[in-house]
Amino acid sequence: QKEVEQNSGPLSVPEGAIASLNCTYSDRGSQSFFWYRQYSGKSPELIMFIYSNGDKEDGRFTAQLNKASQYVSLLIRDSQPSDSATYLCAVIPSGFQKLVFGTGTRLLVSP
Amino acid sequence: NAGVTQTPKFQVLKTGQSMTLQCAQDMNHNSMYWYRQDPGMGLRLIYYSASEGTTDKGEVPNGYNVSRLNKREFSLRLESAAPSQTSVYFCASSERQGVAYEQYFGPGTRLTVT
Repeated sequence: QKEVEQNSGPLSVPEGAIASLNCTYSDRGSQSFFWYRQYSGKSPELIMFIYSNGDKEDGRFTAQLNKASQYVSLLIRDSQPSDSATYLCAVIPSGFQKLVFGTGTRLLVSP
Repeated sequence: NAGVTQTPKFQVLKTGQSMTLQCAQDMNHNSMYWYRQDPGMGLRLIYYSASEGTTDKGEVPNGYNVSRLNKREFSLRLESAAPSQTSVYFCASSERQGVAYEQYFGPGTRLTVT
């Protein structure tokens, strides 16, 4: 079982819709969770992080963490074509000082 | 503030050649990392340095060596390049304070080994 799993997609949504990206992780002791956005040919860019159970909102982005079920999700409201990118979920497993990345979900937002 | 910088941006090597990828950060971070990214494989950690003077292997260290030259600089060396090392290489840096932890990436080096 991979430590961090994501559906590779592509996830296609129309402009203005809510995009929902999901990630599951295997280490129950993980404490820190991150979402990175990566445009084609560019480096990953941190967009959200969450440490506590529940929701965290930042503009059009909401990160949701459920430690009991070991999943973290990212909601993008009012999706725009400029949101089209690959979204990487990353987790810090317990006892480590390094990130473990999922393989990413490709999001396509059509005008 | 340049953040994390990497040189070169592109490189083509022949099998057996050696090269060093350079990385520098100006955010005064203690920790630095080298990743490779291959299609369908995500980001995989090659080596990391939790603090100046220390280095540790990551998930895929074979064929690579690193040097943490000082707090700012962390280099990655390929001693004898192989086609399997064709990849995009990213350097990153971070500062962890408790559970708060944000990692920032450089622009990447696209390496082709023929």
